[in-house]
Amino acid sequence: RKEVEQDPGPFNVPEGATVAFNCTYSNSASQSFFWYRQDCRKEPKLLMSVYSSGNEDGRFTAQLNRASQYISLLIRDSKLSDSATYLCVVMTNSGYALNFGKGTSLLVTP
Amino acid sequence: DTGVSQDPRHKITKRGQNVTFRCDPISEHNRLYWYRQTLGQGPEFLTYFQNEAQLEKSRLLSDRFSAERPKGSFSTLEIQRTEQGDSAMYLCASSPSRDTQYFGPGTRLTVL
Repeated sequence: RKEVEQDPGPFNVPEGATVAFNCTYSNSASQSFFWYRQDCRKEPKLLMSVYSSGNEDGRFTAQLNRASQYISLLIRDSKLSDSATYLCVVMTNSGYALNFGKGTSLLVTP
Repeated sequence: DTGVSQDPRHKITKRGQNVTFRCDPISEHNRLYWYRQTLGQGPEFLTYFQNEAQLEKSRLLSDRFSAERPKGSFSTLEIQRTEQGDSAMYLCASSPSRDTQYFGPGTRLTVL
């Protein structure tokens, strides 16, 4: 079983839609969680960190459920520019190695 | 540009050749990481430096892979006797502490 699992999609949504991505992780001792965004043939870029209390950044909301080992990302009012692959990322016990999911592909259409 | 830089951006080589990639981290970042990403997968951790010390290298894919960071600034990743399965994007990242990792644009390796 992979340490971080995501639905690869693709998710095809119209502009303005709300879309949610989910991710599960296997190591209950994991401490830090992130969502990264990766555009085609580009490097991953941090979208947001995920905190136990949940956090919001504009149209993006991330939540963490430690009991279920589950992380989510909600995007409201989708824009064409949101089209990308969203990577769920968990910091390992090491404190330095990141474990990435395979990514969820999002395509926002006009 | 003050981000992480990598060189070359693309490398095409023949099977059996050695290749070396360079990474220049963000200047004040003492932590440097190498990852590999293949098509359809997320990045996979390879190795980690804190300053010039390589603190984790057990995840390097084989003994053909090695990395250095001699003066605690730039780093190199070398692959000896390349194989077709080594074709991938090699990503370097840096961070100032146990914190967000910032990725460079990557070196795309194609082994013919």
